Amino acid sequence: AQKVTQAQTEISVVEKEDVTLDCVYETRDTTYYLFWYKQPPSGELVFLIRRNSFDEQNEISGRYSWNFQKSTSSFNFTITASQVVDSAVYFCALSEAIREGAQKLVFGQGTRLTINP
Amino acid sequence: DAGVIQSPRHEVTEMGQEVTLRCKPISGHNSLFWYRQTMMRGLELLIYFNNNVPIDDSGMPEDRFSAKMPNASFSTLKIQPSEPRDSAVYFCASSLGRGSPPAFFGQGTRLTVV
Repeated sequence: AQKVTQAQTEISVVEKEDVTLDCVYETRDTTYYLFWYKQPPSGELVFLIRRNSFDEQNEISGRYSWNFQKSTSSFNFTITASQVVDSAVYFCALSEAIREGAQKLVFGQGTRLTINP
Repeated sequence: DAGVIQSPRHEVTEMGQEVTLRCKPISGHNSLFWYRQTMMRGLELLIYFNNNVPIDDSGMPEDRFSAKMPNASFSTLKIQPSEPRDSAVYFCASSLGRGSPPAFFGQGTRLTVV
């Protein structure tokens, strides 16, 4: 079965520091999707990015960037110049084929990120 | 688009009572997923519908849980009777169809059973 490991349970940094959240995955599928979600204290799951396994280009969106390395089965997430509003729990997720061609998401346990002023 | 809409946002009920959670998927999406989030187990899939038909309910914890999707724009997750261990946040998500994993989730329903 698919597995997602976010080894960092909690990270705490001072505002304006850069921070990288690690995500390592295991899959037997040749085609799959990887996701990152943000869960702020209000509780909703905010979609950040989806990456297809065939697209290994790194992506940057403002202060956010993602490094996908298929060779090491990693999909790491970096926040540059962190801000207090970035404080949240961040989840990495991997698609897994289920019945009749459908796909579900398998989530990591999450990394709680605290940005201190 | 309003996104996936769930109601209620919060529910507090007494043990033994019936609880119904509601979800309206994104218009045009054919697949709907119910997830549960707990501290112990994290986020786990409960049930998946495609074209209003339950396809995979292997994650439903026990017979006290049931889910329906009477039409393309509405789904319910019912717990009867509820127990304190059912306390969790329940998320609904939808996707365009088979082969497309869910990307967008509703805001969740925080259920507390006392």
